[in-house]
Amino acid sequence: DAKTTQPNSMENNEEEPVHLPCNHSTISGTDYIHWYRQLPSQGPEYVIHGLTSNVNNRMASLAIAEDRKSSTLILHRATLRDAAVYYCILRETSGSRLTFGEGTQLTVNP
Amino acid sequence: KAGVTQTPRYLIKTRGQQVTLSCSPISGHRSVSWYQQTPGQGLQFLFEYFSETQRNKGNFPGRFSGRQFSNSRSEMNVSTLELGDSALYLCASSLKLSDNEQFFGPGTRLTVL
Repeated sequence: DAKTTQPNSMENNEEEPVHLPCNHSTISGTDYIHWYRQLPSQGPEYVIHGLTSNVNNRMASLAIAEDRKSSTLILHRATLRDAAVYYCILRETSGSRLTFGEGTQLTVNP
Repeated sequence: KAGVTQTPRYLIKTRGQQVTLSCSPISGHRSVSWYQQTPGQGLQFLFEYFSETQRNKGNFPGRFSGRQFSNSRSEMNVSTLELGDSALYLCASSLKLSDNEQFFGPGTRLTVL
Protein backbone atom coordinates (compact mmCIF):
# COMPACT_ATOMS: atom_id res chain seq x y z
CA ASP A 1 0.00 0.00 0.00
CA ALA A 2 1.21 3.48 -0.78
CA LYS A 3 2.13 5.43 2.33
CA THR A 4 1.19 8.89 3.53
CA THR A 5 3.16 11.24 5.76
CA GLN A 6 1.46 13.76 8.04
CA PRO A 7 2.67 15.99 10.87
CA ASN A 8 2.00 14.40 14.25
CA SER A 9 0.18 17.43 15.58
CA MET A 10 -1.03 20.90 14.67
CA GLU A 11 -2.57 23.71 16.63
CA ASN A 12 -5.00 26.35 15.38
CA ASN A 13 -7.12 29.10 16.78
CA GLU A 14 -10.88 28.94 16.66
CA GLU A 15 -12.54 30.61 13.64
CA GLU A 16 -9.31 30.61 11.66
CA PRO A 17 -8.67 28.41 8.62
CA VAL A 18 -6.81 25.15 9.08
CA HIS A 19 -4.48 23.65 6.48
CA LEU A 20 -3.56 20.02 7.14
CA PRO A 21 -0.80 18.75 4.83
CA CYS A 22 -0.23 15.22 3.59
CA ASN A 23 2.61 13.83 1.49
CA HIS A 24 2.06 10.75 -0.64
CA SER A 25 4.97 10.61 -3.05
CA THR A 26 4.42 6.93 -3.98
CA ILE A 27 0.78 7.39 -4.96
CA SER A 28 -0.31 5.38 -7.98
CA GLY A 29 -2.46 6.72 -10.77
CA THR A 30 -5.56 4.92 -9.54
CA ASP A 31 -5.30 5.72 -5.80
CA TYR A 32 -7.98 7.95 -4.35
CA ILE A 33 -6.99 10.41 -1.62
CA HIS A 34 -9.32 10.17 1.36
CA TRP A 35 -9.52 12.12 4.59
CA TYR A 36 -11.21 10.83 7.70
CA ARG A 37 -11.21 12.26 11.18
CA GLN A 38 -11.70 10.66 14.54
CA LEU A 39 -13.13 12.61 17.42
CA PRO A 40 -12.40 11.39 20.95
CA SER A 41 -14.24 8.18 21.85
CA GLN A 42 -15.83 7.87 18.41
CA GLY A 43 -15.26 5.89 15.24
CA PRO A 44 -13.64 7.63 12.26
CA GLU A 45 -15.80 9.95 10.20
CA TYR A 46 -15.50 10.54 6.47
CA VAL A 47 -14.47 14.08 5.58
CA ILE A 48 -13.70 14.24 1.88
CA HIS A 49 -12.02 12.43 -0.99
CA GLY A 50 -10.56 13.24 -4.39
CA LEU A 51 -8.60 11.80 -7.29
CA THR A 52 -7.03 14.61 -9.30
CA SER A 53 -9.09 17.78 -9.04
CA ASN A 54 -9.65 19.96 -6.00
CA VAL A 55 -12.86 19.10 -4.16
CA ASN A 56 -15.24 21.00 -1.89
CA ASN A 57 -18.01 19.77 0.33
CA ARG A 58 -19.92 21.07 3.31
CA MET A 59 -17.21 20.01 5.73
CA ALA A 60 -13.97 20.92 4.00
CA SER A 61 -11.95 21.45 0.85
CA LEU A 62 -9.27 19.21 -0.57
CA ALA A 63 -6.45 20.71 -2.57
CA ILE A 64 -4.45 18.17 -4.60
CA ALA A 65 -1.07 19.01 -6.07
CA GLU A 66 -0.76 18.75 -9.82
CA ASP A 67 1.65 15.81 -9.55
CA ARG A 68 -0.62 14.24 -6.88
CA LYS A 69 2.32 13.69 -4.57
CA SER A 70 0.78 15.84 -1.87
CA SER A 71 -2.56 17.21 -0.77
CA THR A 72 -3.96 19.62 1.80
CA LEU A 73 -7.18 19.38 3.74
CA ILE A 74 -8.65 22.81 4.41
CA LEU A 75 -11.14 23.55 7.15
CA HIS A 76 -12.34 27.05 6.40
CA ARG A 77 -13.22 28.12 9.95
CA ALA A 78 -12.06 25.90 12.76
CA THR A 79 -14.41 25.27 15.65
CA LEU A 80 -13.71 23.53 18.93
CA ARG A 81 -15.66 20.57 17.60
CA ASP A 82 -13.06 20.11 14.87
CA ALA A 83 -10.46 18.98 17.40
CA ALA A 84 -9.70 15.43 16.29
CA VAL A 85 -7.13 13.15 14.70
CA TYR A 86 -7.18 13.67 10.93
CA TYR A 87 -6.12 10.79 8.72
CA CYS A 88 -4.96 11.12 5.13
CA ILE A 89 -5.45 7.78 3.37
CA LEU A 90 -4.77 6.41 -0.09
CA ARG A 91 -7.42 3.97 -1.20
CA GLU A 92 -7.02 1.58 -4.10
CA THR A 93 -9.92 1.50 -6.48
CA SER A 94 -10.58 -2.17 -5.80
CA GLY A 95 -12.24 -2.81 -2.45
CA SER A 96 -13.06 -0.57 0.45
CA ARG A 97 -9.87 -1.21 2.43
CA LEU A 98 -8.51 1.90 4.15
CA THR A 99 -4.89 1.89 5.28
CA PHE A 100 -4.67 4.36 8.15
CA GLY A 101 -1.42 6.03 9.15
CA GLU A 102 -0.80 7.83 12.41
CA GLY A 103 -2.72 10.94 11.46
CA THR A 104 -2.45 14.53 12.67
CA GLN A 105 -3.82 15.49 16.06
CA LEU A 106 -5.50 18.86 15.56
CA THR A 107 -5.89 21.06 18.61
CA VAL A 108 -8.21 24.07 18.33
CA ASN A 109 -7.65 26.88 20.80
CA PRO A 110 -10.56 29.08 21.89
CA LYS B 1 -31.59 6.94 9.28
CA ALA B 2 -29.91 4.94 12.03
CA GLY B 3 -26.13 4.72 11.93
CA VAL B 4 -23.90 1.68 12.20
CA THR B 5 -24.52 -0.15 15.44
CA GLN B 6 -22.11 -2.44 17.21
CA THR B 7 -22.79 -4.76 20.10
CA PRO B 8 -21.68 -5.11 22.74
CA ARG B 9 -20.00 -1.76 23.35
CA TYR B 10 -17.73 -3.13 26.05
CA LEU B 11 -16.51 -6.63 26.73
CA ILE B 12 -14.09 -8.21 29.18
CA LYS B 13 -12.70 -11.67 28.51
CA THR B 14 -9.82 -13.77 29.76
CA ARG B 15 -6.98 -15.29 27.81
CA GLY B 16 -7.92 -18.41 25.89
CA GLN B 17 -11.59 -17.56 25.60
CA GLN B 18 -13.31 -16.68 22.37
CA VAL B 19 -15.49 -13.70 21.54
CA THR B 20 -18.07 -12.73 18.94
CA LEU B 21 -18.74 -9.12 18.03
CA SER B 22 -21.71 -7.95 16.04
CA CYS B 23 -22.19 -5.14 13.54
CA SER B 24 -25.43 -3.91 11.98
CA PRO B 25 -24.75 -1.70 8.96
CA ILE B 26 -26.81 1.26 7.88
CA SER B 27 -30.00 0.09 6.19
CA GLY B 28 -29.33 -0.61 2.52
CA HIS B 29 -25.57 -0.86 2.94
CA ARG B 30 -24.16 -4.13 1.69
CA SER B 31 -20.45 -3.79 2.37
CA VAL B 32 -19.06 -4.22 5.88
CA SER B 33 -15.43 -3.83 6.91
CA TRP B 34 -13.78 -4.48 10.26
CA TYR B 35 -10.82 -2.66 11.80
CA GLN B 36 -8.78 -3.06 14.96
CA GLN B 37 -7.52 0.02 16.76
CA THR B 38 -4.77 -0.15 19.38
CA PRO B 39 -2.52 2.59 20.80
CA GLY B 40 0.57 0.86 19.43
CA GLN B 41 -0.56 -0.18 15.94
CA GLY B 42 -3.25 2.37 15.22
CA LEU B 43 -6.14 1.43 12.95
CA GLN B 44 -5.59 -1.80 11.05
CA PHE B 45 -7.85 -3.42 8.48
CA LEU B 46 -9.13 -6.87 9.38
CA PHE B 47 -11.48 -7.90 6.57
CA GLU B 48 -14.29 -6.81 4.30
CA TYR B 49 -17.53 -8.56 3.41
CA PHE B 50 -19.94 -7.97 0.57
CA SER B 51 -22.90 -10.14 -0.36
CA GLU B 52 -21.96 -12.65 2.34
CA THR B 53 -18.50 -13.18 0.84
CA GLN B 54 -15.16 -12.08 2.22
CA ARG B 55 -13.67 -9.79 -0.41
CA ASN B 56 -10.50 -8.60 1.25
CA LYS B 57 -8.41 -9.64 4.23
CA GLY B 58 -5.75 -7.90 6.29
CA ASN B 59 -2.67 -9.41 7.89
CA PHE B 60 -4.17 -11.00 10.95
CA PRO B 61 -3.84 -14.60 12.14
CA GLY B 62 -6.51 -17.18 11.46
CA ARG B 63 -7.86 -16.72 14.99
CA PHE B 64 -9.67 -13.72 13.57
CA SER B 65 -12.62 -14.64 11.40
CA GLY B 66 -15.84 -13.11 10.27
CA ARG B 67 -19.00 -13.64 8.37
CA GLN B 68 -21.84 -11.71 6.84
CA PHE B 69 -25.48 -12.66 6.79
CA SER B 70 -28.06 -12.21 4.05
CA ASN B 71 -29.37 -9.05 5.76
CA SER B 72 -25.80 -7.62 5.59
CA ARG B 73 -25.29 -7.85 9.34
CA SER B 74 -21.80 -9.04 10.15
CA GLU B 75 -20.05 -10.77 12.99
CA MET B 76 -16.40 -11.19 13.76
CA ASN B 77 -14.98 -13.88 15.97
CA VAL B 78 -11.68 -14.06 17.78
CA SER B 79 -10.70 -17.43 19.20
CA THR B 80 -8.07 -18.26 21.80
CA LEU B 81 -7.84 -14.68 22.97
CA GLU B 82 -4.46 -13.16 23.77
CA LEU B 83 -3.65 -10.11 25.86
CA GLY B 84 -2.63 -8.30 22.68
CA ASP B 85 -6.13 -8.64 21.29
CA SER B 86 -7.29 -5.94 23.68
CA ALA B 87 -8.42 -3.19 21.37
CA LEU B 88 -11.27 -1.14 19.98
CA TYR B 89 -12.91 -3.10 17.15
CA LEU B 90 -14.58 -0.88 14.61
CA CYS B 91 -17.06 -1.79 11.94
CA ALA B 92 -17.68 0.33 8.85
CA SER B 93 -20.41 0.03 6.26
CA SER B 94 -20.91 1.39 2.78
CA LEU B 95 -23.50 1.05 0.06
CA LYS B 96 -21.31 -1.03 -2.20
CA LEU B 97 -17.78 -2.34 -2.66
CA SER B 98 -15.15 0.31 -3.33
CA ASP B 99 -17.53 3.02 -2.18
CA ASN B 100 -15.86 6.30 -1.40
CA GLU B 101 -17.63 7.01 1.85
CA GLN B 102 -17.62 4.53 4.69
CA PHE B 103 -19.61 4.98 7.87
CA PHE B 104 -18.03 3.78 11.07
CA GLY B 105 -19.78 2.54 14.16
CA PRO B 106 -18.76 3.51 17.70
CA GLY B 107 -16.78 0.31 18.17
CA THR B 108 -16.60 -2.49 20.69
CA ARG B 109 -13.97 -2.08 23.38
CA LEU B 110 -12.53 -5.54 24.13
CA THR B 111 -10.34 -6.04 27.16
CA VAL B 112 -8.52 -9.35 27.55
CA LEU B 113 -7.28 -10.14 31.06
